[in-house]
Amino acid sequence: EDQVTQSPEALRLQEGESSSLNCSYTVSGLRGLFWYRQDPGKGPEFLFTLYSAGEEKEKERLKATLTKKESFLHITAPKPEDSATYLCAGPGSARQLTFGSGTQLTVLP
Amino acid sequence: NAGVMQNPRHLVRRRGQEARLRCSPMKGHSHVYWYRQLPEEGLKFMVYLQKENIIDESGMPKERFSAEFPKEGPSILRIQQVVRGDSAAYFCASSPTSQPGSPQHFGDGTRLSIL
Repeated sequence: EDQVTQSPEALRLQEGESSSLNCSYTVSGLRGLFWYRQDPGKGPEFLFTLYSAGEEKEKERLKATLTKKESFLHITAPKPEDSATYLCAGPGSARQLTFGSGTQLTVLP
Repeated sequence: NAGVMQNPRHLVRRRGQEARLRCSPMKGHSHVYWYRQLPEEGLKFMVYLQKENIIDESGMPKERFSAEFPKEGPSILRIQQVVRGDSAAYFCASSPTSQPGSPQHFGDGTRLSIL
């Protein structure tokens, strides 16, 4: 069964305190791994797609990396506006996305 | 901003009524997906459609739920004879191609509440 596991479930950081979120996956026929950001009351907002081990993508204070078994979302010098739930998802051989349960990030000023 | 549009944003129904949720994909996108997010749970796939075709409905309950994506107009997720357990946020996503690596872009969802 396809499975995506994220850790930690929740993370509280001080503004400027860098950290990493983890996403491990067992998705048959994985063809890329996606990161999304979800704010309360909103739909997931697409951030990155990673296709192969060793690949890295960056956007502002976020950098996503991918190995054969897991992905990391590194947050450098976060700001309060980075507070959100971060979701990772893998598409299996079918087209549906299997989502992790998310990491709820809170950045305190 | 021609993003994925869902309506209504909030829908209240009494047990036994029908709920109809609408989704207009992004311009140029012909692939539509529906997901459900139950309280305190993650997003779960329900159904994948292309114009006039259901491609994969493996995540959709066999009874009371149906989906369509007609040649003209939005995709519709229909829930008949709603029950309390149907209360959830329902999200629609779209993509321009069927390639697995093509990202899916989401709307802001319909929050369904069953009284």
